[in-house]
Amino acid sequence: GQNIDQPTEMTATEGAIVQINCTYQTSGFNGLFWYQQHAGEAPTFLSYNVLDGLEEKGRFSSFLSRSKGYSYLLLKELQMKDSASYLCASQAAGNKLTFGGGTRVLVKP
Amino acid sequence: GAVVSQHPSWVICKSGTSVKIECRSLDFQATTMFWYRQFPKQSLMLMATSNEGSKATYEQGVEKDKFLINHASLTLSTLTVTSAHPEDSSFYICSAFDYLSYEQYFGPGTRLTVT
Repeated sequence: GQNIDQPTEMTATEGAIVQINCTYQTSGFNGLFWYQQHAGEAPTFLSYNVLDGLEEKGRFSSFLSRSKGYSYLLLKELQMKDSASYLCASQAAGNKLTFGGGTRVLVKP
Repeated sequence: GAVVSQHPSWVICKSGTSVKIECRSLDFQATTMFWYRQFPKQSLMLMATSNEGSKATYEQGVEKDKFLINHASLTLSTLTVTSAHPEDSSFYICSAFDYLSYEQYFGPGTRLTVT
């Protein structure tokens, strides 16, 4: 079975750092994706973790621990345009993605 | 990066009619495409996996006779919502899997409203 959990909402101040946690229980786990989605738009790819550890990409970093079934997305130097939903998705056999409920991040000035 | 298009971007139809949504991979061949549905303030729910040249694989709870999927070529998959009802109103998103880059690219989505 597949089960993905992430917080529903987070609020942070412009310029700050926010960490979005995601826990998963996935049969046949291959890897963990993070997507950003603005209201009314399709998700856009942020990161993909296959191995344990931290992947850094500019202001965004993603971490994976396969043994703990845990990942986080770290957003640094928050900007107003970062206000969006962030979706954690686990990839299983057949390249199927199972999405978490999404975390709505609100960046305040 | 790779591009996936969807057509139409939005559609309004009357209850009982059928609606076809197209998903195209524009610059790569996709033997596998996925169809998702997203209700307001909810996450994406996988409906089915579309495989070129074979029958689609549907997720539990998704009626295959209501949501007809055809993947006739390596760049095109279609989803037909048959006998649409207001509860089918949703945001339908497709994605295409690129086996060369091993990435999944999402289309822009189709907003369906059934009146």
